[in-house]
Amino acid sequence: GAGVSQSPSNKVTEKGKDVELRCDPISGHTALYWYRQSLGQGLEFLIYFQGNSAPDKSGLPSDRFSAERTGGSVSTLTIQRTQQEDSAVYLCASSFGQGISYEQYFGPGTRLTVT
Amino acid sequence: GNSVTQMEGPVTLSEEAFLTINCTYTATGYPSLFWYVQYPGEGLQLLLKATKADDKGSNKGFEATYRKETTSFHLEKGSVQVSDSAVYFCALRGAAGNKLTFGGGTRVLVKP
Repeated sequence: GAGVSQSPSNKVTEKGKDVELRCDPISGHTALYWYRQSLGQGLEFLIYFQGNSAPDKSGLPSDRFSAERTGGSVSTLTIQRTQQEDSAVYLCASSFGQGISYEQYFGPGTRLTVT
Repeated sequence: GNSVTQMEGPVTLSEEAFLTINCTYTATGYPSLFWYVQYPGEGLQLLLKATKADDKGSNKGFEATYRKETTSFHLEKGSVQVSDSAVYFCALRGAAGNKLTFGGGTRVLVKP
């Protein structure tokens, strides 16, 4: 079946602009994660959604970052007033449930470049 | 908090050589440990995992043993191939949480 998909694959934006990144998880997966892969910080957790529970936002680096998940499926990560340090590859992952038994499947990522 | 430290690359090897990538961790409780691989131009994939002390994860000829006494999860492969060229990430998942904490990644280049 289809894997996790993300769009756009590449995004170039000017400093100060807002951007939206989209993630389509695997159908039926209830858990959805956002991570960021950058040169300076490596691969770091941003936010986690599980079903209808309140999301775990503990990894969001600032209040310019927000995410939502509509209808328990598609998720959008929004970065407001982008800064150059936001340049990174943003990865989305989904899993069938929560807990160690459920593997996280990663999408191909969105490469964001802030000029 | 949780953290993962792995050896920096790049690691350059000849085909059929032995590969070891060191990984150590800091965590409270009893985390689960993972190795992920990112092949050129592809997304991150789970390579192997171990969920408790002394467990050995294995896949595609790779192995790693969860050593609680040394807080380590070193990745090994006895005979690498060119197709093993990739970036390898060690990661942990805390007992109480769901998020993954990753090491910095190790780039491996296998030459024919």
